[in-house]
Amino acid sequence: AQSVSQHNHHVILSEAASLELGCNYSYGGTVNLFWYVQYPGQHLQLLLKYFSGDPLVKGIKGFEAEFIKSKFSFNLRKPSVQWSDTAEYFCAVNARDTGRRALTFGSGTRLQVQP
Amino acid sequence: DADVTQTPRNRITKTGKRIMLECSQTKGHDRMYWYRQDPGLGLRLIYYSFDVKDINKGEISDGYSVSRQAQAKFSLSLESAIPNQTALYFCATSDLMPDATDTQYFGPGTRLTVL
Repeated sequence: AQSVSQHNHHVILSEAASLELGCNYSYGGTVNLFWYVQYPGQHLQLLLKYFSGDPLVKGIKGFEAEFIKSKFSFNLRKPSVQWSDTAEYFCAVNARDTGRRALTFGSGTRLQVQP
Repeated sequence: DADVTQTPRNRITKTGKRIMLECSQTKGHDRMYWYRQDPGLGLRLIYYSFDVKDINKGEISDGYSVSRQAQAKFSLSLESAIPNQTALYFCATSDLMPDATDTQYFGPGTRLTVL
């Protein structure tokens, strides 16, 4: 079974600061990787996803993530955060070589951006 | 995602009551999922269904049951609610991709409080 670790539980940044949120997974097979965002009071929205190919993927709202297979990592980055990026961010993974396909989520990182 | 709806959006109930949460989707997806979200734990899988006749338990199915009434409808029931089932419940859907590149789309969530 796979597991996902998000080591930063709560991050506080000032506007224009750079952001990097860590995500590590444990699974020996081929995986799909996702970052979802949950704005206050809203449902989960897909930020970006990685299936295969270029390990640097770009998502919505200026976010990007890099898949480093050797480190089992899929860290989320943004060069300059805005107050509107205040939200909770979830990394998730599912295994491509099983039929299950349900997502395994990390515990989430709460990002607070101060104006 | 507006194509995935959940009812009710909020519910307060008492211990021992039977509760049903409903999920409907207009995306035409075969696969549907129920997750619960607890602070600091991320989302955890309760049940998932790959089609009307295929229902599977997730990590935390005890105390829950589901019904897939049609391709578009997937209901979650708490037969006898208990306070530790207080949580935010999300429904999700995904299509079946032959290359395993499924992406899940989430409903707005149901906030359930069991007193």
